[in-house]
Amino acid sequence: AQKITQTQPGMFVQEKEAVTLDCTYDTSDPSYGLFWYKQPSSGEMIFLIYQGSYDQQNATEGRYSLNFQKARKSANLVISASQLGDSAMYFCAMRGMTTGANSKLTFGKGITLSVRP
Amino acid sequence: DAGVTQSPTHLIKTRGQQVTLRCSPKSGHDTVSWYQQALGQGPQFIFQYYEEEERQRGNFPDRFSGHQFPNYSSELNVNALLLGDSALYLCASSLPLAGGRETQYFGPGTRLLVL
Repeated sequence: AQKITQTQPGMFVQEKEAVTLDCTYDTSDPSYGLFWYKQPSSGEMIFLIYQGSYDQQNATEGRYSLNFQKARKSANLVISASQLGDSAMYFCAMRGMTTGANSKLTFGKGITLSVRP
Repeated sequence: DAGVTQSPTHLIKTRGQQVTLRCSPKSGHDTVSWYQQALGQGPQFIFQYYEEEERQRGNFPDRFSGHQFPNYSSELNVNALLLGDSALYLCASSLPLAGGRETQYFGPGTRLLVL
């Protein structure tokens, strides 16, 4: 079984500054994938970034980077140069690999990010 | 390249009724997963369809059923609706990739309100 924990209260960041959104996880799978999604008020979940448990380097996608610390079971999302359009809910999710490809995603409860002009 | 589409966008039903939600996957994807997202919570996995069969199921009662068609589109059916079924229903599609790096891409969701 997998578990994702996102305990930060609503986060605020000034436009153009960087912000870190925390995520810790627990799993018995030796191989797994970690994901971050953004959900604006419209409701659609937008994929941001992926990190495999055996990837040698931390994942980066444009302004998004993932600070992956396997021993601590954390996968924090770093957003650099925040923009007003980054205001949304952010969800951390994981998928165990040993049950095969395309298995279910387990999500955390999410973190609300508000970017101030 | 069309993304995941869902219909309808909003739906209002009364307790005891039945509802059908529809999903068309992203072009080239063959796997469809359904999630229920209650207000203020993260999405919860309902089930996943691949090759027209239910491959994996979450902790949802049999009132929740689904189907996948030969063109990979999918339906979610919920019978005997309860007030607690009110939620955003999200469909996600994916395609197996080498090394298990497949990513699920989500549609805009269907907001269901049960009165």
